[in-house]
Amino acid sequence: GAVVSQHPSRVICKSGTSVKIECRSLDFQATTMFWYRQFPKKSLMLMATSNEGSKATYEQGVEKDKFLINHASLTLSTLTVTSAHPEDSSFYICSARETSGYNEQFFGPGTRLTVL
Amino acid sequence: GNSVTQMEGPVTLSEEAFLTINCTYTATGYPSLFWYVQYPGEGLQLLLKATKADDKGSNKGFEATYRKETTSFHLEKGSVQVSDSAVYFCAQHQGAQKLVFGQGTRLTINP
Repeated sequence: GAVVSQHPSRVICKSGTSVKIECRSLDFQATTMFWYRQFPKKSLMLMATSNEGSKATYEQGVEKDKFLINHASLTLSTLTVTSAHPEDSSFYICSARETSGYNEQFFGPGTRLTVL
Repeated sequence: GNSVTQMEGPVTLSEEAFLTINCTYTATGYPSLFWYVQYPGEGLQLLLKATKADDKGSNKGFEATYRKETTSFHLEKGSVQVSDSAVYFCAQHQGAQKLVFGQGTRLTINP
């Protein structure tokens, strides 16, 4: 099946620093990738939809200047949490949708961000 | 708008018990329906799916049938194992629209 990887799997950073998370589709091309945030014991909250070669579409209430998304190729999207604060600590999950066929989304394993 | 509602958790069962996790949806058209599973500390894995009415998705002993008349997609398994302990998410999407998730149901299976 289609595989999506995320890097890093977990990161701890100091308040005020920026953190970049990578999402890669390993064996398929994805024109669209999605970034989710998951709070403890909660469902996934869609943050933004990332289309290759164009600006991301952010969901209501998500600060685009804080959560920078870049989708420069058909296999890579990055999420940068800028000037991170403890309230940004969360589990971030990406997914990628195949360009052809069924439009099924494949999920990455997630990145645990802890901001001290 | 489109939505998904799952039964409240957590659900705790003994090994070999029968499992049902209810899921209902609201949609303007005919969505595709999914069950995802999330093991502790991991991302989501697709468990099964159904794309049209009366389709039955199945995988690893789990089954769910797309019921248009009751707008439901209940997840069932005849005999659960400790390794089935996880959080289960019901979801829907239509065409190129975004996935809409239910709130998740935490399942714990005791030996």
